[in-house]
Amino acid sequence: AQSVTQLGSHVSVSEGALVLLRCNYSSSVPPYLFWYVQYPNQGLQLLLKYTTGATLVKGINGFEAEFKKSETSFHLTKPSAHMSDAAEYFCAVTSYGGATNKLIFGTGTLLAVQP
Amino acid sequence: GAVVSQHPSWVICKSGTSVKIECRSLDFQATTMFWYRQFPKQSLMLMATSNEGSKATYEQGVEKDKFLINHASLTLSTLTVTSAHPEDSSFYICSASSPSNQPQHFGDGTRLSIL
Repeated sequence: AQSVTQLGSHVSVSEGALVLLRCNYSSSVPPYLFWYVQYPNQGLQLLLKYTTGATLVKGINGFEAEFKKSETSFHLTKPSAHMSDAAEYFCAVTSYGGATNKLIFGTGTLLAVQP
Repeated sequence: GAVVSQHPSWVICKSGTSVKIECRSLDFQATTMFWYRQFPKQSLMLMATSNEGSKATYEQGVEKDKFLINHASLTLSTLTVTSAHPEDSSFYICSASSPSNQPQHFGDGTRLSIL
């Protein structure tokens, strides 16, 4: 079984400040991990993914995340927040060993960026 | 990048009517499509997984006779909410993937409001 926990349903940062959104996962098999962003009344857009290989992955819009197996974490960071980063962020896990590629989502973190 | 189109984006209808939502993969062949439901300020709940040419696999608690899913071609899946009632009001999101086009790519969602 797999699960995802996102600590902090709401995170508020100032424009230009570091963004850190936390994600911890549980998986009995090697996980594939994702971060998605959702703007109001829209679907999800993939920010970045970890499958295998390099544990620090870079995504779009200046975001990156580091897979830490020992900590079962996949936290999302961005050095300097921009107003346009305000959105809902979802961490997700799957295992491509299965046939259906089901994504298990966390409960989401709403990021607010203050001017 | 991969594009998934979902239509309509917003629908309002009377209680008792049926509503069809379309999900199309525009530039790849989607062997698997997923349908999610999202309640306000909550995460995505997987409703069903559909593979082209076969019956959809519904998640526990989702009524297959209420939410009819058809995946007749590699580029189109439809979700029909039959005899819709106000409690069916929600944001419905589809996603699509293929073995060569992972991860899942999401449509922009459909806001369904039943009066």
